[in-house]
Amino acid sequence: DTGVSQDPRHKITKRGQNVTFRCDPISEHNRLYWYRQTLGQGPEFLTYFQNEAQLEKSRLLSDRFSAERPKGSFSTLEIQRTEQGDSAMYLCASSLGYWASSLGDEQFFGPGTRLTVL
Amino acid sequence: GEDVEQSLFLSVREGDSSVINCTYTDSSSTYLYWYKQEPGAGLQLLTYIFSNMDMKQDQRLTVLLNKKDKHLSLRIADTQTGDSAIYFCAESPSNYGQNFVFGPGTRLSVLP
Repeated sequence: DTGVSQDPRHKITKRGQNVTFRCDPISEHNRLYWYRQTLGQGPEFLTYFQNEAQLEKSRLLSDRFSAERPKGSFSTLEIQRTEQGDSAMYLCASSLGYWASSLGDEQFFGPGTRLTVL
Repeated sequence: GEDVEQSLFLSVREGDSSVINCTYTDSSSTYLYWYKQEPGAGLQLLTYIFSNMDMKQDQRLTVLLNKKDKHLSLRIADTQTGDSAIYFCAESPSNYGQNFVFGPGTRLSVLP
């Protein structure tokens, strides 16, 4: 296992279309996180899962956004009726869910999916 | 709500020390982090410090925390061209979740 992977790496869509992104975490990691990063900003927390349970959702996550982690492994993030303001890099991260090393419950980030809404 | 601020750009010459500064507002922050982001790569955790510590050193990295002023700094000794990246400060009371707040990032350019 070489780390957190995300698919696709880039997605261009037209306003109003639905898009779905996938994240494959590091295999033994219990926690999975989604963030959004816009140009010139740091990542903003969207939601996180402990195994298959979605435990927190940011107020940034409107009703058009839904995330799932059905078997506690990979996760999907779907955006319905995309808007131009949804254009951003969507980052996924995973962690063990407990203090495991000198870096604590370190979150390992994937390379992100860059979404462009035309 | 919580806010984290950083200067956006820093240029240094190779071999010099770099100091990247960060201020935060949440007095309940327990964990303060420094992440590095290189082009096309995910964020990488460099180091963190607990709020009850003043300083942490890890090889070329030194983190200083002034809790009274809510000021965090990252010093990189003997800066190399491979250190060129965006550095994010982040703070959290709980190590994860919606209160895990990142700053806007400081773009470090290392000149030969």
